[in-house]
Amino acid sequence: EVQLVESGGGLVQPGGSLKLSCAASGFNFSGSAMHWVRQASGKGLEWVGRIRSKANSYATAYAASVKGRFTISRDDSENTAYLQMNSLKTDDTAVYYCTRQVGYCSAGSCYSPFDDWGQGTLVTVSS
Amino acid sequence: DIQMTQSPSSLSASVGDRVTITCRASQRIDSYLNWYQQKPRKAPKLLIYAASSLQSGVPSRFSGSGSGTDFTLTISSLQPEDFATYYCQQSYSTPRTFGQGTKVEIK
Repeated sequence: EVQLVESGGGLVQPGGSLKLSCAASGFNFSGSAMHWVRQASGKGLEWVGRIRSKANSYATAYAASVKGRFTISRDDSENTAYLQMNSLKTDDTAVYYCTRQVGYCSAGSCYSPFDDWGQGTLVTVSS
Repeated sequence: DIQMTQSPSSLSASVGDRVTITCRASQRIDSYLNWYQQKPRKAPKLLIYAASSLQSGVPSRFSGSGSGTDFTLTISSLQPEDFATYYCQQSYSTPRTFGQGTKVEIK
């Protein structure tokens, strides 16, 4: 059974830092790209960023809203992905989900939806 | 960035109704379109990928169609457990943008 468990959320002051963890089990973590998605209260889903596998050079990408402030990393030996959040703003207040990208290939095209999600961890940025 | 626009933002329907939600991309994305269902205080759940492929375990009353820029999610006969918010998402390019969501409520 695939499991993704986020931790590390909490209350932090504007300008502060927080590091979220996403512990994975039940699948080939080292071969999977991992994404972070956030959701402010009562709002929609916002893609935050992703990290690819070692085979893809651990390449990262970020939403414009967090680029330069957030960093995604992973430890394949621990089956864990991380989201380091610096210079936090009140607008970063949200539930943060980690999610696994899967790949389905057909007729020469490969599709990569997000199949499994963690339960989310709440980050509140407030003074 | 590719913008995803869903319509309507919300709808009211009764059990047994046929429900259709549309999603439009700001540029062509071929069939790189996914649909997710989210219930309150729960993580999203993948329903459909590649515009029309049903994820394993998802009831057959859910279906997706479209290609290019215009896509549709259809629930053929709405069930009580289907009242939720639905999101489209493009996986054509980074950033992986989502639509703003469509909330399906009980009439």
